[in-house]
Amino acid sequence: QSVLTQPPSASGTPGQRVTISCSGSSSNIGSNTVNWYQQLPGTAPKLLIYSNNQRPSGVPDRFSGSKSGTSASLAISGLQSEDEADYYCAAWDDSLNGPWVFGGGTKLTVL
Amino acid sequence: QVQLQESGPGLVKPSQTLSLTCTVSGGSISSGSYYWSWIRQPAGKGLEWIGRIYTSGSTNYNPSLKSRVTISVDTSKNQFSLKLSSVTAADTAVYYCARDGEIGAFDIWGQGTMVTVSS
Repeated sequence: QSVLTQPPSASGTPGQRVTISCSGSSSNIGSNTVNWYQQLPGTAPKLLIYSNNQRPSGVPDRFSGSKSGTSASLAISGLQSEDEADYYCAAWDDSLNGPWVFGGGTKLTVL
Repeated sequence: QVQLQESGPGLVKPSQTLSLTCTVSGGSISSGSYYWSWIRQPAGKGLEWIGRIYTSGSTNYNPSLKSRVTISVDTSKNQFSLKLSSVTAADTAVYYCARDGEIGAFDIWGQGTMVTVSS
């Protein structure tokens, strides 16, 4: 069982806006920033969002992140077929669970 | 640009020690303020952080694996390594190395290497 909680699945049609939630606690999301990773089938994860809402160079502005309290969200607007992937949130954890904790991942399906 | 590449045996027997190396290319492992991490992913499951090392040698480990994990660095070879002892089938996974960067995120990942624990 993952320290951060994500819905196992999400879906949308091309052009739609979808959001993926990530719930944690005061020791992780509540006191540290959240990162999001995209994992396309058969590939290594790729950094998508860091520091709650920052996009690395090359990541389209269709992807955005936010955080409030002990929860965070990833939003994808103008959904495209190539966005079909697994998405993971991650945060530093100040408790004994360890410095880095991940969500269980959300599989996004583009219908 | 900096790239990471994992290497090591793809098959390890139960109770033995899993050993993997991550080679950093395109830059020095000692430059900048970076930690170097190991992360694993069992088939069809999520990501699990194993631990990390700073180039000074200081380490942090996942408490659930701490008693079995050793991460070391060899700056002369631009490599860092993972040793996981007393492995069982539950340690079967794809193992990734990653740079834990100045932006506070895993900004560069290796392609991953599959390790199977089986007799």
